[in-house]
Amino acid sequence: AQSVTQLGSHVSVSEGALVLLRCNYSSSVPPYLFWYVQYPNQGLQLLLKYTTGATLVKGINGFEAEFKKSETSFHLTKPSAHMSDAAEYFCAVRGNAGNMLTFGGGTRLMVKP
Amino acid sequence: DVKVTQSSRYLVKRTGEKVFLECVQDMDHENMFWYRQDPGLGLRLIYFSYDVKMKEKGDIPEGYSVSREKKERFSLILESASTNQTSMYLCASSFPAGGASNYGYTFGSGTRLTVV
Repeated sequence: AQSVTQLGSHVSVSEGALVLLRCNYSSSVPPYLFWYVQYPNQGLQLLLKYTTGATLVKGINGFEAEFKKSETSFHLTKPSAHMSDAAEYFCAVRGNAGNMLTFGGGTRLMVKP
Repeated sequence: DVKVTQSSRYLVKRTGEKVFLECVQDMDHENMFWYRQDPGLGLRLIYFSYDVKMKEKGDIPEGYSVSREKKERFSLILESASTNQTSMYLCASSFPAGGASNYGYTFGSGTRLTVV
């Protein structure tokens, strides 16, 4: 069984500040890990993913995430927040032999001017 | 460059109506999924399909049915719409388990359905 926990349903940062969105997962098999972003009234868009290889993964819009197996974490970061980053972010896990993605509950990022 | 298309962005229907939400993908994906999204409840899986004419219930199938007559199309049907089905509906598709699992899901833009 797989599960995903996103700490903090709402995160607020100032423009220019570091963005850190937390994701912890549990999986009985080597996982594939994903971050999706959802802008208001839109579908989910893939931000980045970890499959194998390098544990630091770079995505679109300056975001990156690091897979830490020992901590079962896949936190999303961005050095400097921009107003356009305000959105909802979902972490997800998929086993390499499974059909289903398991999603976290989502974190709404608010960026203050 | 649109890959998963949901037929309507916004839809308003009356209580008791039969509602069809259509989803079409052009990526030759075997798997297709329907979710609903409500504030504070995250994404909840309604139905999914791993193949043509195949369907499986998700976490909240009550009040819904689906149809998959062709590989590229997955329809969600609200047999008799009710106000508690007012929600954002998201369709997604993916490759099956195995070598292409690392591609995750591709989502449509969503349909915001209001039942009055």
